[in-house]
Amino acid sequence: AQSVTQLGSHVSVSEGALVLLRCNYSSSVPPYLFWYVQYPNQGLQLLLKYTSAATLVKGINGFEAEFKKSETSFHLTKPSAHMSDAAEYFCAVSGRGGAQKLVFGQGTRLTINP
Amino acid sequence: NAGVTQTPKFQVLKTGQSMTLQCAQDMNHEYMSWYRQDPGMGLRLIHYSVGAGITDQGEVPNGYNVSRSTTEDFPLRLLSAAPSQTSVYFCASRPGTGETEAFFGQGTRLTVV
Repeated sequence: AQSVTQLGSHVSVSEGALVLLRCNYSSSVPPYLFWYVQYPNQGLQLLLKYTSAATLVKGINGFEAEFKKSETSFHLTKPSAHMSDAAEYFCAVSGRGGAQKLVFGQGTRLTINP
Repeated sequence: NAGVTQTPKFQVLKTGQSMTLQCAQDMNHEYMSWYRQDPGMGLRLIHYSVGAGITDQGEVPNGYNVSRSTTEDFPLRLLSAAPSQTSVYFCASRPGTGETEAFFGQGTRLTVV
């Protein structure tokens, strides 16, 4: 069964600094991977997804993530943090073939310091 | 375009009461699921459905029941509410599985006292 682990339940960066949110997956074959963002009191919305077309995936709001099979990782980055990026971020995994479930990590809360 | 609609947004129940959380989607998606969100635990899958008439259990199904009589609706029933079921519940739909994106409702915040 697929699973993901997000390293760090809380990350704090200064405005303008690099954002790095870590996600490692566990799967016998390269899965489909997703990053979602949740703003306070809202549902989740998709930031980006990896579907094997390209290892570097660009998403909305300036975020991107790189799939590294050798490290079983799919870390989320943004070169310059903005105050509006403060939210909770979830990494998720879905397998290939059949009725594959979407499984989420524990989430990372991102705080932006002025 | 409504997307995924959940009702109610907030609910307070007494221990032992039953209730149904409603979820409806207007995107003709085959795949629907229910998650609960608790601090530090991310989203955990309760039940899911791959089409009308087909449901299956997720990782935390105990105390919950679902049915899928139409493509649009996927209600979640709490049979006898317990304080441990205090949580935020999210319904999601996907056009398929694998690489397809999930679309989420706004959530239902449930408190069991």
